[in-house]
Amino acid sequence: AQKITQTQPGMFVQEKEAVTLDCTYDTSDQSYGLFWYKQPSSGEMIFLIYQGSYDEQNATEGRYSLNFQKARKSANLVISASQLGDSAMYFCAMREEIIQGAQKLVFGQGTRLTINP
Amino acid sequence: DTGVSQDPRHKITKRGQNVTFRCDPISEHNRLYWYRQTLGQGPEFLTYFQNEAQLEKSRLLSDRFSAERPKGSFSTLEIQRTEQGDSAMYLCASSFTSGRRSEQFFGPGTRLTVL
Repeated sequence: AQKITQTQPGMFVQEKEAVTLDCTYDTSDQSYGLFWYKQPSSGEMIFLIYQGSYDEQNATEGRYSLNFQKARKSANLVISASQLGDSAMYFCAMREEIIQGAQKLVFGQGTRLTINP
Repeated sequence: DTGVSQDPRHKITKRGQNVTFRCDPISEHNRLYWYRQTLGQGPEFLTYFQNEAQLEKSRLLSDRFSAERPKGSFSTLEIQRTEQGDSAMYLCASSFTSGRRSEQFFGPGTRLTVL
């Protein structure tokens, strides 16, 4: 079974600074996918970025980038030039095969990010 | 808005009552998932539908829980004889069949409080 560990319960960052949210994972699969989701206080999980285990380059989506270190089994999220609207819970997740090619997501416990003005 | 919708957004009920939640996935998506999220935790998988067939259920889904997806469109999650431990956010997600990324799109959730 897959396991995701997020060791930072909370992070406080000044606006416009970059921030790194840590994520380590455990899997015996050779092929896997890692996701980051943002959950504002409204509750909806918003997809941010995806990294496949065989992707040669680290994923980037606008201000979000993923620092993928396969040997260390880490997939840290980097947010550049943080904004007040980035304040939210952030979850790292890994897909796990269920049946017939479908996958469920296994989530970490999350990191609460607070951006200070 | 063509995203995933859930109804109601909030539900307060007394212990022992039955509750039902509805999820409307993105119309082209044939895969639908239910997750439960308790305070301070990440979401945990409950069950999965491909079209109208319920193909996987977590052991978290006790016999008091039942989910349906008639005609492969919207889905309902019913909890019978609710207990205080059922208090949580219930999230629905949908996705396309397969694909390298297979990202799941989540709804806003239904927050259940059992008194």
